[in-house]
Amino acid sequence: GAGVSQSPSNKVTEKGKDVELRCDPISGHTALYWYRQRLGQGLEFLIYFQGNSAPDKSGLPSDRFSAERTGESVSTLTIQRTQQEDSAVYLCASSLGVAKGDEQFFGPGTRLTVL
Amino acid sequence: AQSVTQPDIHITVSEGASLELRCNYSYGATPYLFWYVQSPGQGLQLLLKYFSGDTLVQGIKGFEAEFKRSQSSFNLRKPSVHWSDAAEYFCAVGAKTGNQFYFGTGTSLTVIP
Repeated sequence: GAGVSQSPSNKVTEKGKDVELRCDPISGHTALYWYRQRLGQGLEFLIYFQGNSAPDKSGLPSDRFSAERTGESVSTLTIQRTQQEDSAVYLCASSLGVAKGDEQFFGPGTRLTVL
Repeated sequence: AQSVTQPDIHITVSEGASLELRCNYSYGATPYLFWYVQSPGQGLQLLLKYFSGDTLVQGIKGFEAEFKRSQSSFNLRKPSVHWSDAAEYFCAVGAKTGNQFYFGTGTSLTVIP
């Protein structure tokens, strides 16, 4: 596709359930990022992929969060045993990954609400 | 620790007036600097970026930003604001080593006719 896509656009779940958020980056982009944006706050870096490997997982807030990427394409962010504080918009971005500071192209986000 | 501060949570300007959005960062060396805009219902879009060289950078939609090392600032400016500029603006810092990006909390811009 022309841009980064994310699904679902909205997700409402009950506390304690697991959720999976999907990101389809721009074709040919080797770098992929996940961010969390809580209401009224800036973007919080979660994880970065270069190809299929995640050299930087330092932003994941707890072991309930995990992410994977396959085929240097689709990425899935999984949140296990969701908590109310996980409610946020989760943004995915991709970049060429050729050089540091390459422009990141953002998807529209997934709005997660944990009841 | 690296951080980005946008001191103004919300700014209101009249259409046609000039605009300056402030951004201060804390980083051990000169980082990559970015400004993004997030319009209602849309994803973040890059306005401009600074890597090195000329400290005044031009971006899209008539925006510019100036990197001032002595002040650790990267303020965004526009000489004449249009109603369509109403949006949320984020300043970001990218590490030259490592792959993390740090975003400020954003400044919400309202444009009144």
